[in-house]
Amino acid sequence: QQQVKQSPQSLIVQKGGISIINCAYENTAFDYFPWYQQFPGKGPALLIAIRPDVSEKKEGRFTISFNKSAKQFSLHIMDSQPGDSATYFCAASSRTGGSYIPTFGRGTSLIVHP
Amino acid sequence: EAGVVQSPRYKIIEKKQPVAFWCNPISGHNTLYWYLQNLGQGPELLIRYENEEAVDDSQLPKDRFSAERLKGVDSTLKIQPAELGDSAVYLCASSPSGRGASEAFFGQGTRLTVV
Repeated sequence: QQQVKQSPQSLIVQKGGISIINCAYENTAFDYFPWYQQFPGKGPALLIAIRPDVSEKKEGRFTISFNKSAKQFSLHIMDSQPGDSATYFCAASSRTGGSYIPTFGRGTSLIVHP
Repeated sequence: EAGVVQSPRYKIIEKKQPVAFWCNPISGHNTLYWYLQNLGQGPELLIRYENEEAVDDSQLPKDRFSAERLKGVDSTLKIQPAELGDSAVYLCASSPSGRGASEAFFGQGTRLTVV
């Protein structure tokens, strides 16, 4: 059973456009929602994260929108650049024994054309 | 600060052979995770350690997979014998424990190919 559903599977945008990736979760015990960026041959790296007590978080060109009642959250990349081309994973975490355990979506392959 | 270090980066073995992966977490991180990442998929948790104790290994196929974290620092993940379906990237991650801890830091992974 997939606990975090992510869409779309792939996304192609033009330079300067907006990239939007959506995720949904079921487990209400999740209380930390990070987005990871992964380049080929590299491990995932934290991009931006949000806690459910806020509806939006912005860091530079990256924004997370969070809808707690709908159990959905999304990543918006403004002014997308070719260097943003990577795979993006949403994740949902719950605290167990003092540690957060991220559960990942299946990923979105983003290609930004110059 | 050094990140999570994994070795080897790549490994090609024949089916039925054993293989081992090594992970050195970020200094001071008590929590260590091993994740499996199949091609085109998100990482899936195999096992989680708190110091030297495996506290969550429900997704680890124990008939062929084993892991250890001696002295609560470095960890090894072993497969014996390997099967064709084990071909994937094995990711190690670590995080600090305790109040406020949230982010898992990942290594570059070991890409395993079983032929």
